[in-house]
Amino acid sequence: DAGVIQSPRHEVTEMGQEVTLRCKPISGHNSLFWYRQTMMRGLELLIYFNNNVPIDDSGMPEDRFSAKMPNASFSTLKIQPSEPRDSAVYFCASSLEGRGLTDTQYFGPGTRLTVL
Amino acid sequence: DQQVKQNSPSLSVQEGRISILNCDYTNSMFDYFLWYKKYPAEGPTFLISISSIKDKNEDGRFTVFLNKSAKHLSLHIVPSQPGDSAVYFCAAGSGTASKLTFGTGTRLQVTL
Repeated sequence: DAGVIQSPRHEVTEMGQEVTLRCKPISGHNSLFWYRQTMMRGLELLIYFNNNVPIDDSGMPEDRFSAKMPNASFSTLKIQPSEPRDSAVYFCASSLEGRGLTDTQYFGPGTRLTVL
Repeated sequence: DQQVKQNSPSLSVQEGRISILNCDYTNSMFDYFLWYKKYPAEGPTFLISISSIKDKNEDGRFTVFLNKSAKHLSLHIVPSQPGDSAVYFCAAGSGTASKLTFGTGTRLQVTL
């Protein structure tokens, strides 16, 4: 079975450019999560969807960040314009129902973003 | 305001010995806790969890202990193996909510 798929694996861009990260969750999973990993803050939840609907976007740093989930098998995280402080590893995760302890989140391999 | 804290960024343990990774939390609403393990260039993978109604959960070489009064949990790995070398993240959640709050991670190195 394919796990969570993320693309690209690495992205290097210049400040001010638009960046789009992509995620394909595990088939049949109803919840999708976007995380950002930095040394200082560890893994931070940016936003999560349940049945393609954004449920909690309180972790999105600012208006430059937006996320969409047009269907059950695809989500994007967009940063426009990008800034050097956005450099981090971005993970996408999915889970079956999104119901707490009994519902494991499965992570993709991450996208390492570098903004010069 | 880091609600889940892992104060040791790194830990080195000899193969065969016990590894103890610690985690503290501040939010009393958290009622379940998880540990994830992460290898380089991979995403985190679920390792073990515990509900607040328990104070211990064991799975093979891995045991998680929860001290609710101290708002502290720990992960014990016995015996430690070189393949356990990874970054370990502590995470906490509340009720049936999907949202997890993660710590900053502890890098464990198991030496020969």
